[in-house]
Amino acid sequence: EAGVAQSPRYKIIEKRQSVAFWCNPISGHATLYWYQQILGQGPKLLIQFQNNGVVDDSQLPKDRFSAERLKGVDSTLKIQPAKLEDSAVYLCASSQADRGYGTQYFGPGTRLLVL
Amino acid sequence: GIQVEQSPPDLILQEGANSTLRCNFSDSVNNLQWFHQNPWGQLINLFYIPSGTKQNGRLSATTVATERYSLLYISSSQTTDSGVYFCALHGSSNTGKLIFGQGTTLQVKP
Repeated sequence: EAGVAQSPRYKIIEKRQSVAFWCNPISGHATLYWYQQILGQGPKLLIQFQNNGVVDDSQLPKDRFSAERLKGVDSTLKIQPAKLEDSAVYLCASSQADRGYGTQYFGPGTRLLVL
Repeated sequence: GIQVEQSPPDLILQEGANSTLRCNFSDSVNNLQWFHQNPWGQLINLFYIPSGTKQNGRLSATTVATERYSLLYISSSQTTDSGVYFCALHGSSNTGKLIFGQGTTLQVKP
């Protein structure tokens, strides 16, 4: 069974530029998550989708971050404009269980550096 | 919200030694997972263990939900066990997002 796929793996941009990340969850997983992991910390949830609907986006900085999950499968996370403090690893995870009360599986992450 | 505390923050072991990592949490949980983040940043599932005890090779985990803690045991450690170990859980009142602890950084020396 293929795992969670993410691209790109690395991205370097200058502040005020925009960037987009892509995630393809494990086949059949209804719940998809985007987490942000700042160096030295544990991951923090940005947004959770159940199929193509948003369940929790309370910690998403909506003035600059946006995410969508068209057709309930792939998802994209966008930052526009980027700030220095957005430098982090962006992790996508998926879960088969309803609302995620089951094992979450993580992709390899996208490392973003904002200069 | 629910608080997750891991200890110790850092641990250095000689290859072959055993260790115990602890995760304390402040509220009842529906889900608790242990992860190993390898040096390349990949989060690898170790255990899904909201209660009870599980074993997988040299690793085992125990969660005592009524006393709000979980333990991860690593026996006969190897250099490949190095990395950061995270405890993450769902509180009973949230939608399913995982709340992560700060992690335990383990270094196993040959």
